[in-house]
Parts: sequence; structure tokens; C-alpha cells
Amino acid sequence: EVQLVESGGGLVQPGGSLRLSCAASGYTFGPFWMHWVRQAPGKGLMWVSHINGDGRTVVYADSVRGRFTISRDNAKSTLYLHLNSLRIEDTAIYYCIRDRGNPDSFDLWGQGTMVTVSS
Amino acid sequence: EIVLTQSPGTLSLSPGERATLSCRASQSVTSASLAWYQQKPGQAPRLLIYTTSNRATGIPDRFSGSGSGTDFTLTISRLEPDDSAVYYCQHYDNSPSWTFGQGTKVEIK
Repeated sequence: EVQLVESGGGLVQPGGSLRLSCAASGYTFGPFWMHWVRQAPGKGLMWVSHINGDGRTVVYADSVRGRFTISRDNAKSTLYLHLNSLRIEDTAIYYCIRDRGNPDSFDLWGQGTMVTVSS
Repeated sequence: EIVLTQSPGTLSLSPGERATLSCRASQSVTSASLAWYQQKPGQAPRLLIYTTSNRATGIPDRFSGSGSGTDFTLTISRLEPDDSAVYYCQHYDNSPSWTFGQGTKVEIK
């Protein structure tokens, strides 16, 4: 089965850190661009970050640049998002996503992992 | 940065009716860069339409997309109760950048 499975979410205090992981299976991970998108409780979708197939090109939304780091391990078919200096407004479900066509629409979504930033 | 504005905010229709959802871009975009997603409560979004008018795998032909320039439309003909969801449009380009509209909620009476 083609799927993405996120893990690593949880409750963290403001200023803290987390590492999210996304395990891909059922397809060849390497060639595909990948993304993280988040959704705050009761809100819409916000694109967070992108990484290309070989991991050499990364892009971030302004609101997370300098605090979040995206990376991938193609040998393990795994995508990561390191979240540092977390703020209350970073509270959201974080989705791992496959890009359909470099760049294109998002054709495969994980189930999401919840990050809660609270004191 | 392109801003996408969706309307209406909420659409309340009966089964069998036709739903027309609008997505307006703040500047002209290529039709190759507009997609639509459906998100049901408690679920991740799923891709419905890519490059303005192409249905994703497994999407019924009741869903169709159209438009060009700054105005794009998702049409759901013959609404079914299972179509109750929030629908998002998305733009992507070679900058690269990816932007979502704020969503339209479709309620089935």
C-alpha cells in the first residue's frame, strides 16, 4: 500500500524543540519532492516547507524560516522536520505530503501528527 | 506572492443539487498550476483536481474543474451526502511556492 505515516508530535513548551518523522512506503521515495503542510485547530491549510528529491534544495514559509529544518533520508524512505524555538502559534496538525510532479499538486497525504505548544 | 480567495465561505445545498465553488487569484496564474482538495472532518485532505481540470485517481466524474487567468471553479454536480466537506484550492509555481485558499465549506441539507 502506498502511504505516508507521520510520527513525533506531542506537547512541548514554548521555546522547545521536536523532530517529526514521515515514513514512506509502497513507492520509490527518492525522486519525489516532499512537503510539510500544517493546519491549526479549526483553521485552513498552510504550506510549511519543501525539499527536492536529492535533499539539496529546501524552501520554507516566512513564518518558520530559521526555526524549522526539513531533511530526508532516501535510503530509509523517511522525511523529517526539525522544529526549534517553538511558539504557541505553531500548534497544529503537521501533514507530510508527496508532490505529484516537481512542482505540482499534492497527491499523497499522511494522516498528520499533532504538535501542541503550550506552557 | 499570490493570494487565493475562495467564495462562498459556506454553501448549503440539498442532495442532487449542483455546487459551484469559486477560487480567485490576486494575479493571473497558469492553468497548469491550480488544484482542488477535499477535507472531511477528522481526515487529511485529498487531491480532487490538478492542473485546473484533471481529476485525480479515483475521483468520480461528478467533480469537475475549470477556469483560467484569475478565476477558477470547482463544480460538484448531483451532490451526495458524502460530499459534505471543506474544499480548498491551491496554487503552485516554479518559484517554487505553494499557496492555499481559505476554504469553502459545503453542507448537505
